[in-house]
Amino acid sequence: GQQLNQSPQSMFIQEGEDVSMNCTSSSIFNTWLWYKQEPGEGPVLLIALYKAGELTSNGRLTAQFGITRKDSFLNISASIPSDVGIYFCAGYNYGQNFVFGPGTRLSVLP
Amino acid sequence: GAVVSQHPSWVICKSGTSVKIECRSLDFQATTMFWYRQFPKQSLMLMATSNEGSKATYEQGVEKDKFLINHASLTLSTLTVTSAHPEDSSFYICSASRTTRGNEQFFGPGTRLTVL
Repeated sequence: GQQLNQSPQSMFIQEGEDVSMNCTSSSIFNTWLWYKQEPGEGPVLLIALYKAGELTSNGRLTAQFGITRKDSFLNISASIPSDVGIYFCAGYNYGQNFVFGPGTRLSVLP
Repeated sequence: GAVVSQHPSWVICKSGTSVKIECRSLDFQATTMFWYRQFPKQSLMLMATSNEGSKATYEQGVEKDKFLINHASLTLSTLTVTSAHPEDSSFYICSASRTTRGNEQFFGPGTRLTVL
């Protein structure tokens, strides 16, 4: 079946640093989504991407839909402690289910 | 907008009992609702998809007689874990979509089930 890979699996950064993570697939997706999950909570939608090449920002977050439709990246600028959590990417094609990546665990050191 | 709630947020029960979890879309009508299961430090695993008024579609390997799903209205879906056993202990998360395409899912806060 379809699988997503996320890189890195985990990262420790200093407060104020920029963060970059990506999500890759062997299959094409028509929609890419990025979610953040904090401990004991459900995932929260950060950014949704619908077109190849699309670059979308949400505050300090920027995500891009790869041209090949097989990847997406998420950048966080000037990280703050509340950015801590697990970031999941999800791929979607019409009529099919979401496919979630394994997540990137982000820790921000003060 | 697009707020989804779950109740209860956590539950502890004895082995053999049944547990019902509710998922509500508070400010929109959810054409489709999804139920996921998440084990510690793992990603979300889709259990089933339900459309209002229809039988749920279960993923391979998910027992429909054990995990009963009811989607009686456009704002409420329930998951009942029947005859729960310790291996059913997990974090159960629902999501809701405003469209039949399901291309944007809004997640509930999750329900942590512990079966003793």
